[in-house]
Amino acid sequence: RKEVEQDPGPFNVPEGATVAFNCTYSNSASQSFFWYRQDCRKEPKLLMSVYSSGNEDGRFTAQLNRASQYISLLIRDSKLSDSATYLCVVNREGNQGGKLIFGQGTELSVKP
Amino acid sequence: GAVVSQHPSRVICKSGTSVKIECRSLDFQATTMFWYRQFPKQSLMLMATSNEGSKATYEQGVEKDKFLINHASLTLSTLTVTSAHPEDSSFYICSATRLAGNTGELFFGEGSRLTVL
Repeated sequence: RKEVEQDPGPFNVPEGATVAFNCTYSNSASQSFFWYRQDCRKEPKLLMSVYSSGNEDGRFTAQLNRASQYISLLIRDSKLSDSATYLCVVNREGNQGGKLIFGQGTELSVKP
Repeated sequence: GAVVSQHPSRVICKSGTSVKIECRSLDFQATTMFWYRQFPKQSLMLMATSNEGSKATYEQGVEKDKFLINHASLTLSTLTVTSAHPEDSSFYICSATRLAGNTGELFFGEGSRLTVL
């Protein structure tokens, strides 16, 4: 079993749609969690950190359920520019550096 | 903001040659740098953790004699792919954490695309 698993994609949605990505992780000792975005042939960029209380940044909402070892990302009112691959990322060793383990990514394509 | 630079961004080489990729943190000191590899349509896979002044720690299944990592200063780590073969063709990305003010965020280089003929 992979350490971080995501919904298989791709997700093809119209502009304005709400889309949700799911992710599970297997290592219960994992300390911190992130969503990264990767555009084609580019390096990944941090989208947002994920906190136990849930957090929101504009149209993006991230949730963490430690008991279920489950992470989610919700994108509301999707834009064409949201088209990218979304990577669920887990840091094994806490916030002071440590190894990021990436999910396989879920590709999102937003159409006009 | 923090910037991590990789060089070269693209390299094509013949089978059997060695290729060196540099990763530099431009405006901060990086205690730790990480090297990832990404094959097409797959996610990033951690290859090794590079600590300044000490030997790199390799992930299971990554050959340390094949992928030589050197972290000689707080701003530079290098990855050398020795005796490269076509199956080593991939997108190699480095990342770094800050020495001071570490928020847990990793800063990624732009990646280096290696093609071995």
